[in-house]
Order: sequence, then structure tokens, then C-alpha cells
Amino acid sequence: DTGVSQDPRHKITKRGQNVTFRCDPISEHNRLYWYRQTLGQGPEFLTYFQNEAQLEKSRLLSDRFSAERPKGSFSTLEIQRTEQGDSAMYLCASSLAILALQETQYFGPGTRLLVL
Amino acid sequence: QKEVEQNSGPLSVPEGAIASLNCTYSDRGSQSFFWYRQYSGKSPELIMFIYSNGDKEDGRFTAQLNKASQYVSLLIRDSQPSDSATYLCAVNKSGGSNYKLTFGKGTLLTVNP
Repeated sequence: DTGVSQDPRHKITKRGQNVTFRCDPISEHNRLYWYRQTLGQGPEFLTYFQNEAQLEKSRLLSDRFSAERPKGSFSTLEIQRTEQGDSAMYLCASSLAILALQETQYFGPGTRLLVL
Repeated sequence: QKEVEQNSGPLSVPEGAIASLNCTYSDRGSQSFFWYRQYSGKSPELIMFIYSNGDKEDGRFTAQLNKASQYVSLLIRDSQPSDSATYLCAVNKSGGSNYKLTFGKGTLLTVNP
């Protein structure tokens, strides 16, 4: 257990529904990342926060995806009007901004989404 | 050319042998390199990172970095069946606002008892 928690761990939804995932990072970590991983692939970067500011978003993050990190603590990732192609493992990671070369990201257990 | 490339495997080694996992990257601006282990159905677990050319050892694991060749490797000594997993190589440009990790597809390692 890295100390990063995610909820729910599994989500099954029907196409067109909205879903929201939550991530609680390690308490002192000020950076929080969302990644998506599909079968046979490595995780792909979606977006990242430093404190409450969303500093970078991937081209993968269509306008159906939105992420927030109010007050620089937990984060939520919402997918609107889900599509079957959204089925994946959604991973959250957190890190502490120290010396840049030594900054390491620790992953939560992930939320596995299945869109029917 | 993909940003981070790994042999997908599977790589099969007998118990007690040395497993060698390789990774190449395309962006010369990459500064930090990470190895994660991922068991089936689980999330990635950090093994170690390296950012200086040469070797870095941590227990049974040794990471090797050669920036001139844009190559990073992970050696696992005295491989155990519990080491059977997918090993993900990730790189980080660092600096500016670019802290994201770019991952390879991973190499599946099987350690046979």
C-alpha cells in the first residue's frame, strides 16, 4: 500500500452515463497525476496538478473529461457521456516536489472502468 | 519511433538466474528513469529510479543508464517466482512544468521454479 487511495476500485456503467472517480494522494504530496492504462499498454498521462492548479492536460483528455483538485487535496476525474473506448484502468499517482531528478510518483490501486 | 520502447516478451528465466530487462528512449531531454513492477490486475509499484550514467544497485535490483546510447536497463539477480510480473520503464523530462512520466508497454517476465 503506497498511501494513495482511489475510489471506487471498480465501476461498470452503461454507455452515455457520467462517472466520477476520486483519488486521495499521500498527505504531504503536492503533485497529483492521472493516467489511463488499457490492456497490454503502459499507463498514458492524462493530466497533472500542482497543489490545486491543473498545469498540464494530455491531448487524450477530450472535452468529456474533467479533473479537479479543490484545495490541493483529493482529486476527482469525471467522464461525461461515457463511450466503450473509455473502458480502462484509471490510475492516480502522487509525488512530492523535491529535487526534480529524484521526484518519484507513487500509484494508487486504480479504478477499473467498464463501459457496456 | 515510439518515445519509450521495451521488448514485450515474455522473457522467461529459471529461478536463481539473472533477468535482464531493457528499455530505449527517443527524447534526449529525458532526465530521470524509472522502473515499475506491475502484477496482473494491479497498479504499478516503484522498484527504483536512476538519473546518472552508470549503475545503481538496490538489493537484488541494479539499474543501468547510458544516456549517450539512450538506453536504460534493469537487472534482477537471483530471480524468484514472485518476480514474475510486467516491468514498466518510464522516463521523465523534468524541469519546467513537465513532470509527467512516459511509459513503455512493459516486458512480461516469467521466473520458472
